[in-house]
Amino acid sequence: KNEVEQSPQNLTAQEGEFITINCSYSVGISALHWLQQHPGGGIVSLFMLSSGKKKHGRLIATINIQEKHSSLHITASHPRDSAVYICAVSRGAQKLVFGQGTRLTINP
Amino acid sequence: DVKVTQSSRYLVKRTGEKVFLECVQDMDHENMFWYRQDPGLGLRLIYFSYDVKMKEKGDIPEGYSVSREKKERFSLILESASTNQTSMYLCASSFGPSGMGETQYFGPGTRLLVL
Repeated sequence: KNEVEQSPQNLTAQEGEFITINCSYSVGISALHWLQQHPGGGIVSLFMLSSGKKKHGRLIATINIQEKHSSLHITASHPRDSAVYICAVSRGAQKLVFGQGTRLTINP
Repeated sequence: DVKVTQSSRYLVKRTGEKVFLECVQDMDHENMFWYRQDPGLGLRLIYFSYDVKMKEKGDIPEGYSVSREKKERFSLILESASTNQTSMYLCASSFGPSGMGETQYFGPGTRLLVL
């Protein structure tokens, strides 16, 4: 079993829908990261959080340390949000452990 | 803005060739990483470096070596390329050893095809 599990693996939605991507992990962590990868390969860090909730524009990330679970929400989704979203955890050192990613497609 | 650049976006090499992938960051970061990304397997750490001339093996170091002679540059070397090393290679960097899992900044990736 992977240390970091994401669901769903693929998600297709219509423009405007509220999107939720989930991440569960099985080890103690110092921080959890949400990353975005657009077609073409470049990866951008969206959030790093160790407790509670963070918001940036239409993106919201939450984490529940007791339940070892995090969610990434996108409000009013748009076709430009189409990307692979990757959850990763760090465990005190500099290395990250990655989930396999969720491929999100938003249709106009 | 942090900028991480990689020497090539696409590379085609033949089996047995020695391959150099170079990564440069411009923010004086201590830590640099090399990953490969394959469908269904996600990102996997090959090697990382936390200081000049320092390196540590990641999860899949076999068939690879690295070099960090200067702080801003981290090279990945495939000593004798094989077809199973066909992959997307991503370099990343982060600031320093805070122990709190700092944000990593990624380069654009090099898509390597070994024939």
